[in-house]
Amino acid sequence: GGIITQTPKFLIGQEGQKLTLKCQQNFNHDTMYWYRQDSGKGLRLIYYSITENDLQKGDLSEGYDASREKKSSFSLTVTSAQKNEMAVFLCASSGGKHTGQLYFGEGSKLTVL
Amino acid sequence: GDSVTQTEGPVTVSESESLIINCTYSATSIAYPNLFWYVRYPGEGLQLLLKVITAGQKGSSRGFEATYNKETTSFHLQKASVQESDSAVYYCALGENMGYKLTFGTGTSLLVDP
Repeated sequence: GGIITQTPKFLIGQEGQKLTLKCQQNFNHDTMYWYRQDSGKGLRLIYYSITENDLQKGDLSEGYDASREKKSSFSLTVTSAQKNEMAVFLCASSGGKHTGQLYFGEGSKLTVL
Repeated sequence: GDSVTQTEGPVTVSESESLIINCTYSATSIAYPNLFWYVRYPGEGLQLLLKVITAGQKGSSRGFEATYNKETTSFHLQKASVQESDSAVYYCALGENMGYKLTFGTGTSLLVDP
């Protein structure tokens, strides 16, 4: 089996700060995803990447940058953190054209003071 | 756009009782929707519970079942007799056949009383 590792688990930032979340997978999967989850809302797709160096915008990409420099890692940057923002960011991977089987990490919780 | 609506939680059920978590979907941009239930157990990452890619078919896993009903655009999750270990958050999701993106519902928190 494999694992998705997200770092850090908890991230506290200041308003206007640029913040980066990292995700590593050892499934050797082609596709990786970043989702955002706010309290009381479903998961919303920010970015996904079909292969190394590929980036595709999701429904919520504004305010974020992403980078897929190698197959096993996918990073997400909040370009300017919003005051009182609080959300959980979930990284996932899948083996290719959709079987719907995404493998998720445990999440990174962001708090902006 | 595409959307998924599911039972608002938290839902509390006594052990050995039956369970149904409702899920309805709207697939305005997807010609052939695939439907999924994901589950998040305490302390673990979100994981696939079951999926159905063909309308009219039923999926099952760990005693849970869900039938893909195209007429009512529903994919309700059912279990005849729940256990305490089923306490988790359940998410219904919609995806395009051979696509990449999933649209998730808001999640339903289930607590099973021993």
